[in-house]
Amino acid sequence: DAGVIQSPRHEVTEMGQEVTLRCKPISGHNSLFWYRQTMMRGLELLIYFNNNVPIDDSGMPEDRFSAKMPNASFSTLKIQPSEPRDSAVYFCASSLGVAGGQYNEQFFGPGTRLTVL
Amino acid sequence: SQKIEQNSEALNIQEGKTATLTCNYTNYSPAYLQWYRQDPGRGPVFLLLIRENEKEKRKERLKVTFDTTLKQSLFHITASQPADSATYLCALVGDTGTASKLTFGTGTRLQVTL
Repeated sequence: DAGVIQSPRHEVTEMGQEVTLRCKPISGHNSLFWYRQTMMRGLELLIYFNNNVPIDDSGMPEDRFSAKMPNASFSTLKIQPSEPRDSAVYFCASSLGVAGGQYNEQFFGPGTRLTVL
Repeated sequence: SQKIEQNSEALNIQEGKTATLTCNYTNYSPAYLQWYRQDPGRGPVFLLLIRENEKEKRKERLKVTFDTTLKQSLFHITASQPADSATYLCALVGDTGTASKLTFGTGTRLQVTL
């Protein structure tokens, strides 16, 4: 199993540009999460999906951020327009979700380090 | 407001000793608590899960306790090794209505020296 796959691993862009981060969850997992990690704020949940449906996007900081999950094997996080304060490491994670009362662990991808100049 | 607190200062211990990390929370009633390990440049990796009705959970050299009265979890690594050096994050499951949602603490960095 390849684990959670994220691309690109590093992204450097200029303020105002559109940025698209991509994630392929582990096959068979029905929950997908997008996180942002910074030194100041730690690991913050942006949005999560169950069975491709967005369940909670209360962590999305602004309308500049949007996320989609068109199918069970692919998700994108888009920032348009990007700003320097969006610079962070963005993680995607997947899990089996809640099944039969057993809460399952989350498997994280390697992250995308985004730098907005 | 809800808050999860982990010691932001690094914990430095000598090889072979037991490392103890603390996770305190307020204004939560979590059904589960999880611990993750994160190495530099990598995503967090799941270590242990403990439920609210469990007081203690063990896995090899790891032990986690969960005191819902004190609103605290302790994470112990016995016979610590330099390879245990990493940042350790605790995470709480959200309310029942958002049972899939984890909220993470800011983590404590552990440094094990020879």
